[in-house]
Amino acid sequence: NAGVTQTPKFRVLKTGQSMTLLCAQDMNHEYMYWYRQDPGMGLRLIHYSVGEGTTAKGEVPDGYNVSRLKKQNFLLGLESAAPSQTSVYFCASSSTSGGPYNEQFFGPGTRLTVL
Amino acid sequence: AQSVTQLGSHVSVSEGALVLLRCNYSSSVPPYLFWYVQYPNQGLQLLLKYTSAATLVKGINGFEAEFKKSETSFHLTKPSAHMRDAAEYFCAVKMGSGAGSYQLTFGKGTKLSVIP
Repeated sequence: NAGVTQTPKFRVLKTGQSMTLLCAQDMNHEYMYWYRQDPGMGLRLIHYSVGEGTTAKGEVPDGYNVSRLKKQNFLLGLESAAPSQTSVYFCASSSTSGGPYNEQFFGPGTRLTVL
Repeated sequence: AQSVTQLGSHVSVSEGALVLLRCNYSSSVPPYLFWYVQYPNQGLQLLLKYTSAATLVKGINGFEAEFKKSETSFHLTKPSAHMRDAAEYFCAVKMGSGAGSYQLTFGKGTKLSVIP
């Protein structure tokens, strides 16, 4: 099993450009999440999905959109990138078995720089 | 809303010394608490989690944490630090019930340095 994979690993954008980050998991998990990590801020939830075709906002959703057309994929889009979106982005997934005690499995991250 | 506070953004210990990383939670309901570790340039990996079965929780790599309800704490310890323990450690809590119970709220992290 590859677990959770993220594409790309690194990206540099200019202000105003758009891009899509792809997250894929092969564990048949129902739940998927997008976080951003900034120095001294920990990880903050951007959006999450509780199943195919459903998404919800997290703590810091502004400037991002997501889609979950297939159970195994969760896409994060930036329509018009801003320097404040320079960050490391992590995708995670979890199953519903075990209830709230279940763990989230994380991808390796995407380092995004917006100039 | 539930949250966690990690005391100390950076902790340095000598190799072989005790590691103590502090985490306090604010919760009016039974918390679902986790410790994650992030090695340089990697994603997060679960160290351990509190499941209410026991107040002392053992995790991977020799780490353990003790849940103390009276102190609202879930501190992470390891008796003897190793160079490979140098990483950033995150305490996290899950919110209440239903679909929202699957969202993790992270502390700001504590970076552990191990001095040879």
